[in-house]
Amino acid sequence: QSALTQPASVSGSPGQSITISCTGTSSDVGGHNHVSWYQQHPGEAPKLMIYDVTNRPAGVSSRFSGSKSGNTASLTISGLQAEDEADYYCSSYTSSSTLVFGGGTKVTVL
Amino acid sequence: EVQLLESGGGLVQPGGSLRLSCSASGFTFSNYAMGWVRQAPGKGLEWVSSIRGSGDSIYYGDSVQGRFTISRDNSKNTLYLQMNSLRAEDTALYYCARPYSSSFFIRGSFDCWGQGTLVTVSS
Repeated sequence: QSALTQPASVSGSPGQSITISCTGTSSDVGGHNHVSWYQQHPGEAPKLMIYDVTNRPAGVSSRFSGSKSGNTASLTISGLQAEDEADYYCSSYTSSSTLVFGGGTKVTVL
Repeated sequence: EVQLLESGGGLVQPGGSLRLSCSASGFTFSNYAMGWVRQAPGKGLEWVSSIRGSGDSIYYGDSVQGRFTISRDNSKNTLYLQMNSLRAEDTALYYCARPYSSSFFIRGSFDCWGQGTLVTVSS
């Protein structure tokens, strides 16, 4: 099971929107609607931001949204804030009944 | 309040064994699948294993298949990970995690995480 492909880093200025991509295959991202996104601040456990491609858990800001096209899922952060600076990981269910994570993306707020 | 508390980590020699535990509280443990996710120092997240609430369905990541065993004791609200034939590349912070919904199994969507327990494999 190869890791999903994410850009190593993405940056933006406060108030801007940024998008993080997560590319897999037809056996994972493209074949199932079970893509999740996590935010992780240094020294902390991950926090679930999006599940099943587009759904936000209770309490997660509406500034975070998810989408998918073909084998690529995306996380968009609108109205970027300083507190959004963190590492972000995607994950996907696979056709082998396993779970695969992306390599992670470091978001920097300029 | 939902809480997950891992324990059992430590320093072990290559080829050795270790058993991790995760004590759960604040929810009906038997209703939820549970999983283990690890993170090597300075690296990304890696799914290790998941087990259904009843314990009758289990899956593993390729890198631990045949060496690690996940189990649970619903009477004790505790999740376990038995790790055998440990390798240097198993060095990581091991998190136990609960999915967002009791109907979720291997779709990830982990919304509750413990603080992690550190496993170091070194001679």
